[in-house]
Amino acid sequence: EADIYQTPRYLVIGTGKKITLECSQTMGHDKMYWYQQDPGMELHLIHYSYGVNSTEKGDLSSESTVSRIRTEHFPLTLESARPSHTSQYLCASSEFRGNNSPLHFGNGTRLTVT
Amino acid sequence: AQRVTQPEKLLSVFKGAPVELKCNYSYSGSPELFWYVQYSRQRLQLLLRHISRESIKGFTADLNKGETSFHLKKPFAQEEDSAMYYCALRLQGLYGKLTFGQGTILTVHP
Repeated sequence: EADIYQTPRYLVIGTGKKITLECSQTMGHDKMYWYQQDPGMELHLIHYSYGVNSTEKGDLSSESTVSRIRTEHFPLTLESARPSHTSQYLCASSEFRGNNSPLHFGNGTRLTVT
Repeated sequence: AQRVTQPEKLLSVFKGAPVELKCNYSYSGSPELFWYVQYSRQRLQLLLRHISRESIKGFTADLNKGETSFHLKKPFAQEEDSAMYYCALRLQGLYGKLTFGQGTILTVHP
């Protein structure tokens, strides 16, 4: 079934560890996004991509990095996790054609750094 | 820079009452506006978009460029409408990047 998948759903990790949050979509969408969402707060765009080998930083500065080697895959990496990285991370995708194409969101990864 | 403001963090109404979730934006051009909703234990999803001028689940939203508002309305709230609602803005020509408001938690009491 065409969908967007995020793993893991929950992650608790110690300070200093390297982590990768996975995001994959099977809808053939060119555009993909990472948003950061603190509880009860607005979503902030931290990374986006228009297609393979395209990555851009979003509106909120983030120490994370992303890659887009394949259309369907848009992983987010933190080289050294810190407690300030504790948040919910939402991945989304949309079609390239037409600015009205809605964003399709994954279930999110809730990250806790201890 | 563009900004979306949802002044109410929490909104409570009783079933059958009218509900209005406020959204104001700051942008001098012609934006595209959306409402997204997140029900309990579900993912964030599109509710409606201004360009479609549609009614979804009884909700409507009208873009008022003079007041730079895009309020979400429903004449008779239902308990299943309880959710987190986000207003979002997309500038034309920016390939899909959305700017979200802070969100409003709507609770509809029986």
